Amino acid sequence: NAGVTQTPKFRVLKTGQSMTLLCAQDMNHEYMYWYRQDPGMGLRLIHYSVGEGTTAKGEVPDGYNVSRLKKQNFLLGLESAAPSQTSVYFCASSYSRASGSKEQYFGPGTRLTVT
Amino acid sequence: ELKVEQNPLFLSMQEGKNYTIYCNYSTTSDRLYWYRQDPGKSLESLFVLLSNGAVKQEGRLMASLDTKARLSTLHITAAVHDLSATYFCAVDIGTSYGKLTFGQGTILTVHP
Repeated sequence: NAGVTQTPKFRVLKTGQSMTLLCAQDMNHEYMYWYRQDPGMGLRLIHYSVGEGTTAKGEVPDGYNVSRLKKQNFLLGLESAAPSQTSVYFCASSYSRASGSKEQYFGPGTRLTVT
Repeated sequence: ELKVEQNPLFLSMQEGKNYTIYCNYSTTSDRLYWYRQDPGKSLESLFVLLSNGAVKQEGRLMASLDTKARLSTLHITAAVHDLSATYFCAVDIGTSYGKLTFGQGTILTVHP
């Protein structure tokens, strides 16, 4: 199993450009998440999905859109990139265990710089 | 709004010493996770704590959860250089989709 994979690993954008980050998981997990990580702030949830075809907003959704057309993929889009979106983006997936835990498994991250 | 606070945020230790990282949270929860992150890498799950009084140990690390005090601790015993990393706690308040709220992270550096 590859687990959770993300592409690309690095990207530099100019202000106003658009891009899509791809997250894929091969564990058949129902739940998928997009986070951003900024220094001193831990990880903050951007959007999440509880199943194929469903998405919802997290804590910091402004400027981002997502889609989950297939269960294994979760796409994060930036329509018009801004320097404030310079960050490291992590995708994660999870499923409901009998214990109630929804332990999340993280991808390797995408480092995005917007100039 | 749930707040999760870790302290210390920076920890410089000598090899062989013991220390504890604290994770306080502001809302009732009985599910807490500890993750480790190496520089430039992803987050690796260390411990899953699912009830009051839960204690888990792996090597030189031991995590515990006190839901009444809204406190989790990560205790490091006889630190070694390989433990140098950033440690995050994350709290699940029981949403249907497993939302995690992360602490700021504790950057641990272990010196010879």
